[in-house]
Amino acid sequence: EADIYQTPRYLVIGTGKKITLECSQTMGHDKMYWYQQDPGMELHLIHYSYGVNSTEKGDLSSESTVSRIRTEHFPLTLESARPSHTSQYLCASSDLTPGRGSETQYFGPGTRLLVL
Amino acid sequence: AQSVTQPDIHITVSEGASLELRCNYSYGATPYLFWYVQSPGQGLQLLLKYFSGDTLVQGIKGFEAEFKRSQSSFNLRKPSVHWSDAAEYFCAVASRESNYQLIWGAGTKLIIKP
Repeated sequence: EADIYQTPRYLVIGTGKKITLECSQTMGHDKMYWYQQDPGMELHLIHYSYGVNSTEKGDLSSESTVSRIRTEHFPLTLESARPSHTSQYLCASSDLTPGRGSETQYFGPGTRLLVL
Repeated sequence: AQSVTQPDIHITVSEGASLELRCNYSYGATPYLFWYVQSPGQGLQLLLKYFSGDTLVQGIKGFEAEFKRSQSSFNLRKPSVHWSDAAEYFCAVASRESNYQLIWGAGTKLIIKP
């Protein structure tokens, strides 16, 4: 089972602030993901990465940005937080197995963000 | 468009009763199928997955799921639920059509009556 860590777990912040949500995994997985999840709703992919220096946008348009300088670390940044960014953010990682098709994703505990 | 449907937003069952959570998908090719569970305030934990082979798959915590190609379904079952099973359950599907990205259902909230 993968170990994935997200900090902070909860964040309350004012409008206009810059925030960075941290995600780290210790399993050496190549692929990492950020999802946004509102209560009672499905997960929406906002960013993913195939490996170091690779970042892609997901299906859901997001004003956030990500970086992947190290394999184990995939932080998500909001330059100017707004109330519409209030949500839960889930980080996941998976092992990219060539020719295997889909891989199993392992999730962190999530960050609940409230923007006032 | 590719979609995953979990028709039940909530399900309430008595402790000790059997459980079936439904999941239907719309894809042409044989997809990869997953069930995840999310306890309150937590991330998602993989319960089980189907890639190929036996269409009845066993997972953790006593759960199983059956892939039925003719019905485009992957329903999750448990013969006897425990109060600790109260959580939200998500079905997810990946296929060549989705570029192997996971497409998620909206989830089913399981409530356990004592």
